[in-house]
Amino acid sequence: RKEVEQDPGPFNVPEGATVAFNCTYSNSASQSFFWYRQDCRKEPKLLMSVYSSGNEDGRFTAQLNRASQYISLLIRDSKLSDSATYLCAVNSGTYKYIFGTGTRLKVLA
Amino acid sequence: SQTIHQWPATLVQPVGSPLSLECTVEGTSNPNLYWYRQAAGRGLQLLFYSVGIGQISSEVPQNLSASRPQDRQFILSSKKLLLSDSGFYLCAWSVSGGLEQYFGPGTRLTVT
Repeated sequence: RKEVEQDPGPFNVPEGATVAFNCTYSNSASQSFFWYRQDCRKEPKLLMSVYSSGNEDGRFTAQLNRASQYISLLIRDSKLSDSATYLCAVNSGTYKYIFGTGTRLKVLA
Repeated sequence: SQTIHQWPATLVQPVGSPLSLECTVEGTSNPNLYWYRQAAGRGLQLLFYSVGIGQISSEVPQNLSASRPQDRQFILSSKKLLLSDSGFYLCAWSVSGGLEQYFGPGTRLTVT
């Protein structure tokens, strides 16, 4: 089993839709979790950090489920500009971060 | 504010040639620094991290090496490139003791 797993997608959704992705992790000792957005051929940009049960920033909500060992990212009222690949990252030690391979989102007009 | 620079942006090198990629961070002191590689269709792989000048930890055994000659400078090197070294190389930084990582613009390396 991979340490961090994501559905690669693509998730094709119409503008205005709500979409959610999950990211599962195998190390139950993981403490910190992150969502990054990566546009094609660009660097990942930090979207949200999740340290406790969840975090919300505008249209974006991240939730942590420690019992089932996954984090989720919910995007409400999707915009065309939300089209990107969303990476989750898990911190399993002070300096070691494990990244998922990403979930691709396409928001359609 | 903090900024992170990487160069070159793109690089095409023949197999067996040397490599030197540079990363510098501005606007912060004593950052933690990281080198990642992202191969096509694959996730980010942590290669090296550094918590201070001259302190380098390697995550994956390979023909690459890293050095940190100055507080805000991180260099990735190779003496002889392999075809499998092709990929998108990303430098990242975090505040010392902090957890959020911020990435530079990356170097796209093609080994031919």
